Amino acid sequence: QIQLVQSGPELKKPGESVKISCKASGYTFTDYTMHWVKQAPGKGLKWMGWINTYTGKPTYADDFKGRFVFSLEASASTANLQISNLKNEDTATYFCARHWGDYWGQGVMVTVSS
Amino acid sequence: DVVLTQTPPTLSATIGQSVSISCRSSQSLLDSDGDTYLNWLLQRPGQSPQPLMYSVSNLESGVPNRFSGSGSETDFTLKISGVEAEDLGVYHCMQATHAPWTFGGGTKLELK
Repeated sequence: QIQLVQSGPELKKPGESVKISCKASGYTFTDYTMHWVKQAPGKGLKWMGWINTYTGKPTYADDFKGRFVFSLEASASTANLQISNLKNEDTATYFCARHWGDYWGQGVMVTVSS
Repeated sequence: DVVLTQTPPTLSATIGQSVSISCRSSQSLLDSDGDTYLNWLLQRPGQSPQPLMYSVSNLESGVPNRFSGSGSETDFTLKISGVEAEDLGVYHCMQATHAPWTFGGGTKLELK
């Protein structure tokens, strides 16, 4: 069956970096785009952008340009999200989602606190 | 960016009651390819969102047919014909016609 399994929760200090992974299984990884979505505590969903899993080309929403990097380990059917220079407002759950959102990872809670 | 306005923000229902959720877009979601990329998701407490409906009215595989979607251009509705306990959670509409993709503010369905 199709699954997106994300890495575990992270506790970081402001200014540090974090890398979140999303491992896909049950389908051909390069056949579908992968999207990233942010959900701050008690808030709604915000689309961060997507990565073309065939070419590796990332596209970022305006609010996520600069400190955010989408990457792939295609041989491992894994998409990654790296956030650098973490800020308190990056505290959120980060989801990966396939294609239009037909499959979602379980989410990774990232807490940024001094 | 496209703004999606969902109403009501909270919906109280009894089991078996039929309810509707509205999602209004600040601009037409009809794509140049003829499709309308307005989708619905359900997020149960503590869980990731799960797909319900894509392209306005197409039921995602495995979703019960008590869920139905309708609408066009800027006005869309999700209807649940006979709420069941497993339907409780937050419903999100989302659009993928225009970049960036955007989500509505959510409608929380709770038991009355």
